Amino acid sequence: GAGVSQTPSNKVTEKGKYVELRCDPISGHTALYWYRQSLGQGPEFLIYFQGTGAADDSGLPNDRFFAVRPEGSVSTLKIQRTERGDSAVYLCASSETGGQKDTQYFGPGTRLTVL
Amino acid sequence: DAKTTQPTSMDCAEGRAANLPCNHSTISGNEYVYWYRQIHSQGPQYIIHGLKNNETNEMASLIITEDRKSSTLILPHATLRDTAVYYCIGTGTASKLTFGTGTRLQVTL
Repeated sequence: GAGVSQTPSNKVTEKGKYVELRCDPISGHTALYWYRQSLGQGPEFLIYFQGTGAADDSGLPNDRFFAVRPEGSVSTLKIQRTERGDSAVYLCASSETGGQKDTQYFGPGTRLTVL
Repeated sequence: DAKTTQPTSMDCAEGRAANLPCNHSTISGNEYVYWYRQIHSQGPQYIIHGLKNNETNEMASLIITEDRKSSTLILPHATLRDTAVYYCIGTGTASKLTFGTGTRLQVTL
């Protein structure tokens, strides 16, 4: 079946602009995760949704970052007043129910470049 | 989450077994060990996971020591397509995965 998809695959924006990144999880998966990966580093956790609600947003770096999942399926990561340090690959993953025994499946990522 | 330690890089000849070690000496009794890999410019790909027993699937085998302080991922017949960064992750009670910097495996002819 279809895996996790993310759009756009690449996004170039200017410092100070607003961006939205979209994630379509595997159909039926109730848990959805966002991670961020800087060059040469492993992915870093940002936020975890269980259904429509954010169960853990401890990884969001500051209040410029916000994510929603209004119908419990598609999720959007929103970044306000982008800074050059926000440049990274943003990865989305989903799993059937959440929890440590539940395997997360990742999308291909969105490469964000802030000029 | 348990802290994991992996070698920075390893080489393996094509067709040979690749054995990737991971130390997770602080792992607690209910933490799983997960392995993912990331091929250049792609999202992480799930490989295998285990709790206490050794596990095998179509991609790899996972050998966990009896004291659970370390594990080894085995790719039985490495190919050039297995060149990637391999991450060993100990999951805690939280749902998030904590990635380290992983092992860069280079498979050569």
